[in-house]
Amino acid sequence: DAGITQSPRHKVTETGTPVTLRCHQTENHRYMYWYRQDPGHGLRLIHYSYGVKDTDKGEVSDGYSVSRSKTEDFLLTLESATSSQTSVYFCAIRGDRAGQPQHFGDGTRLSIL
Amino acid sequence: GQQLNQSPQSMFIQEGEDVSMNCTSSSIFNTWLWYKQDPGEGPVLLIALYKAGELTSNGRLTAQFGITRKDSFLNISASIPSDVGIYFCAGQGNDMRFGAGTRLTVKP
Repeated sequence: DAGITQSPRHKVTETGTPVTLRCHQTENHRYMYWYRQDPGHGLRLIHYSYGVKDTDKGEVSDGYSVSRSKTEDFLLTLESATSSQTSVYFCAIRGDRAGQPQHFGDGTRLSIL
Repeated sequence: GQQLNQSPQSMFIQEGEDVSMNCTSSSIFNTWLWYKQDPGEGPVLLIALYKAGELTSNGRLTAQFGITRKDSFLNISASIPSDVGIYFCAGQGNDMRFGAGTRLTVKP
């Protein structure tokens, strides 16, 4: 695999609680991404990072924040989880040269009750 | 954002049959990618295409980058049971867009 570890792999939590998902890479890649995958919507970009402390919003960023304090870790935080954020979350990484494909982790299944 | 139009949504085929799926877009892309996703796992890259008109093979898989740069297709020849899964196309330009996936079922 592409040297990407997501944790936890599964989480069940209650509405209103904060949740943090972690993506760890061993490839030293500059670009990291967070997606959510829902039936009928495919993969949708939440946030991405183009370097340490450099992040930007994707198309579905409301209710989510991210942080990247070191190259290998990209954290996704739900400040106050809602049931609409129940989803499968994927992290992806990409090499630095333009046009290189993204490689995905195995996902975190998050259920918010 | 506008996702890609991927078809068909699902396919039920007999082992040994060939499969074809495609993706179209209103936007031009510099790169087309095809991924496969198995249950409980993340998408895995199958084929990457970088030039309009390019035809690339990976074993029994063949994919083409459309000449208009707005479409791509993936063919799987002589399907086997382990081909079961969801296949996604992705177009990469300034950002990356995904198709909704083709769910493939192969009957032995």
